Amino acid sequence: DAKTTQPTSMDCAEGRAANLPCNHSTISGNEYVYWYRQIHSQGPQYIIHGLKNNETNEMASLIITEDRKSSTLILPHATLRDTAVYYCIVRVGGTYKYIFGTGTRLKVLA
Amino acid sequence: DTGVSQNPRHKITKRGQNVTFRCDPISEHNRLYWYRQTLGQGPEFLTYFQNEAQLEKSRLLSDRFSAERPKGSFSTLEIQRTEQGDSAMYLCASSLTSGGPHGELFFGEGSRLTVL
Repeated sequence: DAKTTQPTSMDCAEGRAANLPCNHSTISGNEYVYWYRQIHSQGPQYIIHGLKNNETNEMASLIITEDRKSSTLILPHATLRDTAVYYCIVRVGGTYKYIFGTGTRLKVLA
Repeated sequence: DTGVSQNPRHKITKRGQNVTFRCDPISEHNRLYWYRQTLGQGPEFLTYFQNEAQLEKSRLLSDRFSAERPKGSFSTLEIQRTEQGDSAMYLCASSLTSGGPHGELFFGEGSRLTVL
């Protein structure tokens, strides 16, 4: 059922940009890409979403390729508090069901 | 705080017992979701409601699992005759349908079940 693939884990130095990739090659034209993160023992937290244009908010930027088959979440200046599992998900077409994969475990190093 | 509230936060039970979890969504949200998460895995979709209607159930939701949202507000997830494999974090999320197709999910802190 999972429609996205992400690397299992990544490290990033504190203060540097963290770039988290996601492949969603079967995404449909009207499906949004969502990013969530989950800090240990907490519920997932919404970060950002996009359709085809790049998006930016106070937490992150989202870059979506022109063919929409992949995207990258950018945390511009990673801090230790950004250590978490990051999930890239798309909604199952025709429903409001969101399927999570196993995500990318990001470790920010001091 | 008007976020998604889940109770109890922790439940330890013996195999074969029944357990019930409650989720109170954000008040104006008409969609409500249940997910299950085991260690090292992403949340697995179980079911979701739009108002009081249960629109979809995962194959993961066996006959021992039942979810209700009787008045379109709070929801309960009951597990009958618990098994050790039911040990997991049960997450509830809610969202709005209005305001476009975005449907951002707001998650609660989860209810952790341990079956001995």
